[in-house]
Amino acid sequence: GESVGLHLPTLSVQEGDNSIINCAYSNSASDYFIWYKQESGKGPQFIIDIRSNMDKRQGQRVTVLLNKTVKHLSLQIAATQPGDSAVYFCAVAGRAGGGNKLTFGTGTQLKVEL
Amino acid sequence: ETGVTQTPRHLVMGMTNKKSLKCEQHLGHNAMYWYKQSAKKPLELMFVYNFKEQTENNSVPSRFSPECPNSSHLFLHLHTLQPEDSALYLCASSQDSNSGNTIYFGEGSWLTVV
Repeated sequence: GESVGLHLPTLSVQEGDNSIINCAYSNSASDYFIWYKQESGKGPQFIIDIRSNMDKRQGQRVTVLLNKTVKHLSLQIAATQPGDSAVYFCAVAGRAGGGNKLTFGTGTQLKVEL
Repeated sequence: ETGVTQTPRHLVMGMTNKKSLKCEQHLGHNAMYWYKQSAKKPLELMFVYNFKEQTENNSVPSRFSPECPNSSHLFLHLHTLQPEDSALYLCASSQDSNSGNTIYFGEGSWLTVV
């Protein structure tokens, strides 16, 4: 099966700085990766995804990097804002897991300091 | 507004009660999911429905009974629950249950079993 781990349970950054949240996965056959943001009292919100045929994908202020060699995924948030404070989850899916079964990490709490 | 609506948002029930959680998605998707989110633990997949057919039961106790009358609606019927079942129950949907389809979550139903 798949296991997913996040490197830090908590990350504190200054407003305006860039944030990097890391995630490691175990199964090299995984082929779809998603980052979710969960604010307090809300459900997970889709941020960005990437498939295994890519190593980088950019969105608005966010970039996801995928290193399949070391089975590592990261989310970069540029110019972090107070509204970015939330728990961030990576989720992994693919042929190894069967269908669209996502395996989630435990989440990194991002705290933005003013 | 995520396109996935869950009711009720909060539910307190006794161990002998019978209650139901409801989910409706307005995204035109064909797959729906129930996830459980407990404190300090990764999201746990409970059930998957694809085109109204259950395709996954992740060893969920029978005191949780899902129902999917059509592709837009999903229920989770609850009876004789235990205090350890207290958690956030998240409904989600995707285009279908094939790998690589983004899964969109509702805001969740907070369940407390007393």
